[in-house]
Amino acid sequence: RKEVEQDPGPFNVPEGATVAFNCTYSNSASQSFFWYRQDCRKEPKLLMSVYSSGNEDGRFTAQLNRASQYISLLIRDSKLSDSATYLCVVLPHSGGYQKVTFGTGTKLQVIP
Amino acid sequence: SQTIHQWPATLVQPVGSPLSLECTVEGTSNPNLYWYRQAAGRGLQLLFYSVGIGQISSEVPQNLSASRPQDRQFILSSKKLLLSDSGFYLCAWTLSTDTQYFGPGTRLTVL
Repeated sequence: RKEVEQDPGPFNVPEGATVAFNCTYSNSASQSFFWYRQDCRKEPKLLMSVYSSGNEDGRFTAQLNRASQYISLLIRDSKLSDSATYLCVVLPHSGGYQKVTFGTGTKLQVIP
Repeated sequence: SQTIHQWPATLVQPVGSPLSLECTVEGTSNPNLYWYRQAAGRGLQLLFYSVGIGQISSEVPQNLSASRPQDRQFILSSKKLLLSDSGFYLCAWTLSTDTQYFGPGTRLTVL
C-alpha cells in the first residue's frame, strides 16, 4: 500500500458545483496534514492545513478522519480558477518535512 | 517578506553532461532547505534536505548531490546526467512553522 494515495482524477465539474477529494495515508502515527494546490507547470502552494477538528477557509473545508486514516477537501461553489491539481501532504510530526510524503495529486477541471 | 529564487527556469542537457541548479532564499535566516523532484505524472520526491550550512541529508540514493555553501543558498549538482534525471526540480524552505514554501522550479530535460 502506498504511504499516501489520491485519486488522480480528473474530476470534471461544472462551475458552481461542490466537489470533494479524499486522501488516504498508511502511517497511523502521522501527525500533520496539508492540502497544497499546484497549477500546471508551476510550484505547489499551500492551500490549507488540516486540523483534527476540521477547518474551513471560505469555500474550502478540510477534514481529518484518524480512525479511517484519510483527509478530505471539499470545495463549494467551484470557480474556473479552482482548476488545478490538489496535493495531499502528510508529515510524521509537526515540522517533520524530513519525512514528508506528498500524494501524486488529484486533478480538478472546472468547466463553464 | 521572504522570497525564494531558483535558476535556471528551464534547462535542456545532453546525457552525461554536468548539472548545477541554484536556489537562494531572501528575507529569512537559518531556514531548513529542501530539494524535490517531480517526474511527469508522479508525486514530489524529496531528494535532499539541509538544516544548516554544510549539513546535507539525502533521502534516496541517486545520481545527484547537494551542497549548502551559505545559509541561504542550496545547490543541486550532478557530474553526469542520466535520462532518468529529467523532471521538475523544486527547492523549498521552512522555518519552525509547518508551512513549506516552494521556489518556481527548474524544468530539466535530459536528451
